[in-house]
Amino acid sequence: AQSVTQLGSHVSVSEGALVLLRCNYSSSVPPYLFWYVQYPNQGLQLLLKYTSAATLVKGINGFEAEFKKSETSFHLTKPSAHMSDAAEYFCAVSALTAGTASKLTFGTGTRLQVTL
Amino acid sequence: DAGVTQSPTHLIKTRGQQVTLRCSPKSGHDTVSWYQQALGQGPQFIFQYYEEEERQRGNFPDRFSGHQFPNYSSELNVNALLLGDSALYLCASSLGAGRSETIYFGEGSWLTVV
Repeated sequence: AQSVTQLGSHVSVSEGALVLLRCNYSSSVPPYLFWYVQYPNQGLQLLLKYTSAATLVKGINGFEAEFKKSETSFHLTKPSAHMSDAAEYFCAVSALTAGTASKLTFGTGTRLQVTL
Repeated sequence: DAGVTQSPTHLIKTRGQQVTLRCSPKSGHDTVSWYQQALGQGPQFIFQYYEEEERQRGNFPDRFSGHQFPNYSSELNVNALLLGDSALYLCASSLGAGRSETIYFGEGSWLTVV
């Protein structure tokens, strides 16, 4: 079984400060990991994904995440926050076992607030 | 290139009624999944359709059913609505059913059960 834990349901940073959103996973098979962003009243947009290639993954809007197997983590970072980054962020793990289709298992989300 | 489109965007139903939500996948995609996102929660996987068959199902009762049409579009049906079914229902599409494919989401259908 796969699961994701996002530490911190709310994170507040100042504009220009480092953004760090935490995600730890549990997976019985090598994981594929994703970060999605959800703006108010919108669907989910893919920020980046890890698919067992490079452990440091770069995504859109200046975000990146590093896969650390020893820590079972996939934390999302951005060097300098912008007001437009305020949104809900979801970490997800993809599950696929023999004979089944893939699905995403999501964390409970982290709401990022950016202040002036 | 149209992304994933869902309809309706908002609807209100009464307890006990039935609802049908519709989804058109992104152009070229053949796999459709449905997720339920309750307020303040992450999306929960309902089921996935590929080649017009349900391939995998999450932990949802049989009141939740679906269908995929030859043009890959899909419907989600919920019978005997409960207040707890109030949520954002997200449709997601992808090409094939492998783990690494990019999954695209629609804007969702907001269902309120009163």
